[in-house]
Amino acid sequence: DAGVIQSPRHEVTEMGQEVTLRCKPISGHDYLFWYRQTMMRGLELLIYFNNNVPIDDSGMPEDRFSAKMPNASFSTLKIQPSEPRDSAVYFCASSADRGNEKLFFGSGTQLSVL
Amino acid sequence: AQTVTQSQPEMSVQEAETVTLSCTYDTSESNYYLFWYKQPPSRQMILVIRQEAYKQQNATENRFSVNFQKAAKSFSLKISDSQLGDTAMYFCAFYNYGQNFVFGPGTRLSVLP
Repeated sequence: DAGVIQSPRHEVTEMGQEVTLRCKPISGHDYLFWYRQTMMRGLELLIYFNNNVPIDDSGMPEDRFSAKMPNASFSTLKIQPSEPRDSAVYFCASSADRGNEKLFFGSGTQLSVL
Repeated sequence: AQTVTQSQPEMSVQEAETVTLSCTYDTSESNYYLFWYKQPPSRQMILVIRQEAYKQQNATENRFSVNFQKAAKSFSLKISDSQLGDTAMYFCAFYNYGQNFVFGPGTRLSVLP
């Protein structure tokens, strides 16, 4: 198994631009999570999906952030428009089920908004 | 709400020595899971070890072991025979079924040659 795959690994953009981060979960995993990691706030859960349906998006900072999961093997996190304070590492993680309680993380996307 | 505290922002250890990272948590739940994740410079978050709260026996994975003190709500990680590849950020995490993971702020461990 290739694990959770995220792209791009690094993204540098200018303020105001749209940014799209991508994630492919482990095949067969029903849950997908998007996390943001910063020095100040540590690891924060942004949103999670169960069977492609968003369950809890209370961690999404504001309307500029949106996430979709059109099918079981693909999810996107979009920021539009981006701002410098969005600079962080964004992780995608998946798990087999809520009771499995093992999170498998991707390698993250380092986002820099100039 | 559950909280996870790691009181040691940074630690260092000599290669081949043993080091213990501390973690405390706060919860009113009786059944839950605790984890240690490792984040090396490559940025990948890697599961190191997992403990189920209803099990009294401390989990062990090769050179990694935990000291789980449920009454004290303490969950420390012991790394024996430290290796240079153990240099990383270590995150303690709490999980209760049906809720979200709660991560601690992390401890940066440096293994010195």
